[in-house]
Amino acid sequence: GAGVSQSPRYKVAKRGQDVALRCDPISGHVSLFWYQQALGQGPEFLTYFQNEAQLDKSGLPSDRFFAERPEGSVSTLKIQRTQQEDSAVYLCASSFGPAEETQYFGPGTRLLVL
Amino acid sequence: GESVGLHLPTLSVQEGDNSIINCAYSNSASDYFIWYKQESGKGPQFIIDIRSNMDKRQGQRVTVLLNKTVKHLSLQIAATQPGDSAVYFCAEILNSGYALNFGKGTSLLVTP
Repeated sequence: GAGVSQSPRYKVAKRGQDVALRCDPISGHVSLFWYQQALGQGPEFLTYFQNEAQLDKSGLPSDRFFAERPEGSVSTLKIQRTQQEDSAVYLCASSFGPAEETQYFGPGTRLLVL
Repeated sequence: GESVGLHLPTLSVQEGDNSIINCAYSNSASDYFIWYKQESGKGPQFIIDIRSNMDKRQGQRVTVLLNKTVKHLSLQIAATQPGDSAVYFCAEILNSGYALNFGKGTSLLVTP
């Protein structure tokens, strides 16, 4: 079927605004991941869902970051009161199984906070 | 600290030559490694993976070699094509068993 999709592809926010980033994983994939990629760097793990359960949120940089996956499919990453240091590409990935499975990435959302 | 790193930040090869991209890791407990290709403006694309019970794995035009003794991973691309130009990342599964730990990446440029 279709791959992982993310929206919006680009988002410009003023400092202090809240943003919501959406991820549609591959249908039937149990696991969903969010990563943050700074310019010129590799992606860094933010959080992990197995179905609707958020099993790991150790990578979220602050309590301004919040993720949910209420029905075990679509996920939303929300950033409150955005700061300039939040500017990055936010990548979503999904995998069929719970662990050590190939993760398939979406195209990412490029967030620029002015 | 970062446990997965790459030896060279950029690599330039001529079309038709073979390319070798290297990666070192420091976590001897790592048992699953993946190579991803990332083109500008796109998400990482899975290329090939290898588990620690293997030394070598081949795909279409790509081979991954794993040397556990020196904790080194390499990606070989045969007959490199312009479409291979991208940033290549090696990644390992962290102790959690699911989160990927990426290195900084190697930029591969294929010249005609």
